[in-house]
Amino acid sequence: SQQGEEDPQALSIQEGENATMNCSYKTSINNLQWYRQNSGRGLVHLILIRSNEREKHSGRLRVTLDTSKKSSSLLITASRAADTASYFCATGRDTGRRALTFGSGTRLQVQP
Amino acid sequence: EAEVAQSPRYKITEKSQAVAFWCDPISGHATLYWYRQILGQGPELLVQFQDESVVDDSQLPKDRFSAERLKGVDSTLKIQPAELGDSAMYLCASSPQTQETQYFGPGTRLLVL
Repeated sequence: SQQGEEDPQALSIQEGENATMNCSYKTSINNLQWYRQNSGRGLVHLILIRSNEREKHSGRLRVTLDTSKKSSSLLITASRAADTASYFCATGRDTGRRALTFGSGTRLQVQP
Repeated sequence: EAEVAQSPRYKITEKSQAVAFWCDPISGHATLYWYRQILGQGPELLVQFQDESVVDDSQLPKDRFSAERLKGVDSTLKIQPAELGDSAMYLCASSPQTQETQYFGPGTRLLVL
């Protein structure tokens, strides 16, 4: 079963606009990660935020984490057509089982 | 930059046939994962290896799926016999011993007819 739920399931914006995706999860975590997947390809790691962090930036990406609400958000600023992809949040636990539990993803379409 | 290799990229087979997928992780990565991704959903773990040992195969349908990583390097995932419901993308990922970030291969898209 999948741990996280992304919201919205699909998002369509114009180039230059900001895109915000949300992720909710159910159990306690050690870290939360965001991945991008272009159509028919493998996943690419974007950013990792640990449970003791509240906000993290990487280039045009900003991730927040609220462990009290078991939720995270990914903000992509000044979006580009090349940002068109599916975005997944994934949660990790601090156990020997390092496999990630993925959400169902948000499909982002950036119109040129 | 080192990448995870997977082959084949695409596989079409008939139900009841056997299929096998291969994965070569990034050199030095001790942990290897096989995920299955159904269209429109996120990846779900099938099996996790630490070196040559299975750490977690609780979600692997063991009546038809098998996985091995004999020398702790590359890995093979087999399905026998394939069923229609096995049509999906099969993703391999690897990570270094102490890091949480996972590096994914391009995947093998399986279509069972």
